[in-house]
Amino acid sequence: GESVGLHLPTLSVQEGDNSIINCAYSNSASDYFIWYKQESGKGPQFIIDIRSNMDKRQGQRVTVLLNKTVKHLSLQIAATQPGDSAVYFCAEKVSQAGTALIFGKGTTLSVSS
Amino acid sequence: EAEVAQSPRYKITEKSQAVAFWCDPISGHATLYWYRQILGQGPELLVQFQDESVVDDSQLPKDRFSAERLKGVDSTLKIQPAELGDSAMYLCASSWGTSMDTQYFGPGTRLTVL
Repeated sequence: GESVGLHLPTLSVQEGDNSIINCAYSNSASDYFIWYKQESGKGPQFIIDIRSNMDKRQGQRVTVLLNKTVKHLSLQIAATQPGDSAVYFCAEKVSQAGTALIFGKGTTLSVSS
Repeated sequence: EAEVAQSPRYKITEKSQAVAFWCDPISGHATLYWYRQILGQGPELLVQFQDESVVDDSQLPKDRFSAERLKGVDSTLKIQPAELGDSAMYLCASSWGTSMDTQYFGPGTRLTVL
């Protein structure tokens, strides 16, 4: 079906480590992808996005990689901090269809100091 | 920094009662979305507005849910009557347009139906 899924429901890392959160998508027509961070009791917060004409995009401490060949998306967080602890969702969209985002189930990142 | 506003933040109601949630999008954002998020899952779209018009309400349970955005600015989502299975976080998001514009989410309304 047309859904976005994450490989691992939970990820535990030590403060200062690099974190990698993975996501697989199934709709080859999807051309826009977003990573959101959601802290407990709050709405999702935009982290970074990438369009299908790119394979890598960097932000502040975060990098998103897109592999269209295997329909895989990843979020890399450098020097992970306790404040990065949250649930991370990837979402996909077929932009020209004007449809809404389709979210995966999320990965819970726990950072211990 | 402009934010999407939602109220109330928390709502507890008994089944069969009516509830309403309000959303004020970021100023200038033409597109407004209502999502429902069940604990442990990603948000799922309920309804999408472009200005005052409904673009997509295919996942909205229309027998009990209704949404409106009369002046193309703020929006109200209503449930009548509420059922136990409606307990969830209701999120509002807005964006400039509908294609690749970033969606910004509000803090959500946590609904508990007893």
